[in-house]
Amino acid sequence: AQSVTQPDIHITVSEGASLELRCNYSYGATPYLFWYVQSPGQGLQLLLKYFSGDTLVQGIKGFEAEFKRSQSSFNLRKPSVHWSDAAEYFCASNNAGNMLTFGGGTRLMVKP
Amino acid sequence: DGGITQSPKYLFRKEGQNVTLSCEQNLNHDAMYWYRQDPGQGLRLIYYSQIVNDFQKGDIAEGYSVSREKKESFPLTVTSAQKNPTAFYLCASSIDPRGNQPQHFGDGTRLSIL
Repeated sequence: AQSVTQPDIHITVSEGASLELRCNYSYGATPYLFWYVQSPGQGLQLLLKYFSGDTLVQGIKGFEAEFKRSQSSFNLRKPSVHWSDAAEYFCASNNAGNMLTFGGGTRLMVKP
Repeated sequence: DGGITQSPKYLFRKEGQNVTLSCEQNLNHDAMYWYRQDPGQGLRLIYYSQIVNDFQKGDIAEGYSVSREKKESFPLTVTSAQKNPTAFYLCASSIDPRGNQPQHFGDGTRLSIL
């Protein structure tokens, strides 16, 4: 069965610092990959998606992610974090038909 | 504006009671999904529907039921058989029932036991 792993449950960064959130997937074929963000008590908002082609994808709010097949990774990055980026981030994969598999999430805290 | 509306935002259930969570979308999406979210466990799929009058069990369907009588509506009933219903429930939809497009999410319903 496919799985998505987000190794970091919590991450704290200072405002203005760079950010990288890790995501690893397990599947033989190239998956469809997504990053979502969730503010407390809210639904999930799509940040970006990777289907094929260029392995570096740009998303909303200044986020980007890079697909690395050799490492089975799809890490999310942002060069300079803002206090409003504090939220929970979910990586998800779809490569078995019509169901998304979500990682356990990474909670981001931003220090002033 | 198009979107997904979940109601109510908060819901309380008494022991032995069934409760129904509403999910309505005006995005004209074919596929709809229900997820359960518990702290530290990400999202787990309860049920999904790719087309009207058809739905499939997800990973944790026991104690839940759904219907899909209209394209825009996908209500979830939490039955008394679900012994641990306290969670945050999220409804989602997608234009592509094959799952090859992103899912759009509602703002969730938080269910608690009285």
